Amino acid sequence: QKEVEQNSGPLSVPEGAIASLNCTYSDRGSQSFFWYRQYSGKSPELIMSIYSNGDKEDGRFTAQLNKASQYVSLLIRDSQPSDSATYLCAVRYSSASKIIFGSGTRLSIRP
Amino acid sequence: KAGVTQTPRYLIKTRGQQVTLSCSPISGHRSVSWYQQTPGQGLQFLFEYFSETQRNKGNFPGRFSGRQFSNSRSEMNVSTLELGDSALYLCASSLAVGREAFFGQGTRLTVV
Repeated sequence: QKEVEQNSGPLSVPEGAIASLNCTYSDRGSQSFFWYRQYSGKSPELIMSIYSNGDKEDGRFTAQLNKASQYVSLLIRDSQPSDSATYLCAVRYSSASKIIFGSGTRLSIRP
Repeated sequence: KAGVTQTPRYLIKTRGQQVTLSCSPISGHRSVSWYQQTPGQGLQFLFEYFSETQRNKGNFPGRFSGRQFSNSRSEMNVSTLELGDSALYLCASSLAVGREAFFGQGTRLTVV
């Protein structure tokens, strides 16, 4: 079982709709969770970090964490063509451990 | 505030050679991590340094090594290059181990 799993996509969402990206992780003791966006040919860019159960909102982005079910999700409201990218979920198991990345979900926003 | 700076941006090397990549973290950041990214394997963790000490290491052969200097700048070295080492090498810095990591632009290494 992979440590951090994401659906590779592509996930196609119409412009203006809500895009929902999901991620599951294997270690129940995980403490820190991150979402990165990566455009083709560019390096990953941090979008959100979340550390406790519940929702965290930042502009059009909402991260949701459910430690009991071991999943973290990212919602993008009012999706724009510029949101088309690969979204990487990352998990750190403890404050001293390495960050593990999922393989990413390719998101495509169609006009 | 300047971001993470990696040099060089592009590199072409021959099999068997060695290469050194450099990373300057965001000012004030003391933790530096290195990743290898390939289309087939995604982002693979290489190692993480904090205060000149290696804190974590990924599952890479001993040909991959790194170090961190007192000013938090970091270098990684790959010896005896193989064709499969062709990849984008990314450096990320954070205030401390466990905090949000910010990536540099990467070094694209091609081994021929």
